[in-house]
Amino acid sequence: DARVTQTPRHKVTEMGQEVTMRCQPILGHNTVFWYRQTMMQGLELLAYFRNRAPLDDSGMPKDRFSAEMPDATLATLKIQPSEPRDSAVYFCASGLGPGTAQYFGPGTRLTVL
Amino acid sequence: GESVGLHLPTLSVQEGDNSIINCAYSNSASDYFIWYKQESGKGPQFIIDIRSNMDKRQGQRVTVLLNKTVKHLSLQIAATQPGDSAVYFCAVTDNTNAGKSTFGDGTTLTVKP
Repeated sequence: DARVTQTPRHKVTEMGQEVTMRCQPILGHNTVFWYRQTMMQGLELLAYFRNRAPLDDSGMPKDRFSAEMPDATLATLKIQPSEPRDSAVYFCASGLGPGTAQYFGPGTRLTVL
Repeated sequence: GESVGLHLPTLSVQEGDNSIINCAYSNSASDYFIWYKQESGKGPQFIIDIRSNMDKRQGQRVTVLLNKTVKHLSLQIAATQPGDSAVYFCAVTDNTNAGKSTFGDGTTLTVKP
């Protein structure tokens, strides 16, 4: 049963600390998305990649967030330094490209104190 | 850009009744539409999709209807069960915009036994 996996599932950290979230997309999927979900803002697209190349990261605060795909099986989202307003659930999703469904991971619940 | 709105943020139905969740979008160039279900503590899960060359698509107990004239999308769930209680999102994609999806805010469906 192919699934997107994310680690860690939960992260509590203090303001100013670096946070790294990892995602393993479904094998064979060439598109990876990072979303942030909060009660106030709903589901926001932060960045997405196709064939490991960043296509759009306009939804991401550039000064503190960065997203990479070191290889086809790993996507990372880093926040440095973290702030309390970054507290949210971060989802990774993967898919087969335009016009196809995105499959979501279970999310990383981040709390920044 | 695209804006996606849901007609009702919450919907409560009796077990066994049919449920209808509605979604409106703004971009007439949108050509791919997906409904997701999100249960508490989990990531959004793909339910059903439809492309702009269709106006109806059926799955197991679910039907999606697309009215491109008025830019309206609906999800019908037949014989709603307690396990259908969740938040439902529509996602609208314009494949001329690199396949980015815009998500609605979600409708919380509660099924009363």
